[in-house]
Parts: sequence; structure tokens; C-alpha cells
Amino acid sequence: EVQLVESGGGLVQPGGSLRLSCAASGFTFSNYWMSWVRQAPGKGLEWVANIKKDGSEKYYVDSMKGRFTISRDNAKNSLYLQMNSLRAEDTAVYYCARGDYYDSSGYYLGYWGQGTLVTVSS
Amino acid sequence: EIVLTQSPATLSLSPGERATLSCRASQSVSSYLAWYQRRSGQAPRLLVYDAFNRATGIPARFSGSGSGTDFTLTISSLEPEDFAVYYCQQRSSWPWTFGQGTKVEIK
Repeated sequence: EVQLVESGGGLVQPGGSLRLSCAASGFTFSNYWMSWVRQAPGKGLEWVANIKKDGSEKYYVDSMKGRFTISRDNAKNSLYLQMNSLRAEDTAVYYCARGDYYDSSGYYLGYWGQGTLVTVSS
Repeated sequence: EIVLTQSPATLSLSPGERATLSCRASQSVSSYLAWYQRRSGQAPRLLVYDAFNRATGIPARFSGSGSGTDFTLTISSLEPEDFAVYYCQQRSSWPWTFGQGTKVEIK
């Protein structure tokens, strides 16, 4: 069974940092692109970042570029999101998700974790 | 950035009725569009990809159609577990984006 379990969320002050983790199991992690998606309270879903199977390519939404870093450790079946210079508007539930139905132009999110809540507040 | 506009915002229907959800893109996304279901307290679930392909394990009552800028998700006969929020999502151009969602609620 495919499982994605996020951790690392919590309360952080504006300007602070947080590192989210996503533990994957039930599939060959190194064979899949992975993504982070977030949902702010009362808002819709927002893409955050993508990372290639071997970690050699990364894509970020502009509003997070330079502040967030996506990474992975295929030996540990883990995905990460390092978030720096956090702002109140980064408050959201952060989901990791697996890329499925992949072709040369992209993929869709076939499996999602349950999410971890990040609250940025003083 | 491609903006996806979903309508209606809320759809009030009874079990057994047909649901028709719309997603309109601000520019063509070809067929690179997916639909997700989000039940309360659960993670989103992929229903349809590339506009009309059902994802693995998705019941046949869910069907997608459309291309270019106009897309539709149809639920032929609503089951109790189908009352949820539905999102469309495009992967035609970066950044990939979601619509704001349509809530299907029990009438």
C-alpha cells in the first residue's frame, strides 16, 4: 500500500525556518517525481514545488522561489521541504504527493499524504 | 499563470442525481487537465487525468470531457460518498495550477 506521511509542521515566527519531511513507503520511491502542494485556511490548493526522480531537476512556484528548497533522499525514501524567511501567508497545510501518469510534459498527483500544518505567527 | 475558474462554487443535489461540474482555463491547456476529489478530513484523490481518463480504481460514474479551455466532470448518479469538494488542475504550463473548487453538497 502506498503511504506518504508528512511531519515537521508547527508554529513558527515570521522570518523563521522550518523543515518538512515526507516518509514514503509501499512503492519504489526513486522511480517517481514528487511534489509539495499546500492549502491555506479557507483557500484552494496551491502548487509549491516539484523534484525529479533523482533530484537533478527542481521546479518552484515564483512566490516560493529563493525561500523554499525541495530535496529528497532516495536511500531513506524521504522527501523534504526546507522553508526559510517564512511569512504569515505561508500558513497552510502542506501535502507531499507522488507524480503519476507521467509523460515528457509532466504528471498528475496520484497519491497524497494527509498533510502537516504550518502556522506562521508571532 | 493559467487561471482555472470552476463553476458553480456550490452544487446542491440529492443522492442519485447527476452532477455536472465545469472548469474553464484562461488559455488553452490542451488535454492536460485533471480532476481531484477532496472528502472532508481526507487527502485529495485523483479522479480523472488528461481530461477524460479515469484514474486507477475510480468508478465509472465519474467521467471527464473537454479540451482546450472548457472541461466538464460528470458524476452520473451521486452516491453518498461523492458529496465532497472537487478541484480541477492543469499541467500544461508551469506553474501548474488548481481551480478554486466546487463543493457538491446534499440538498
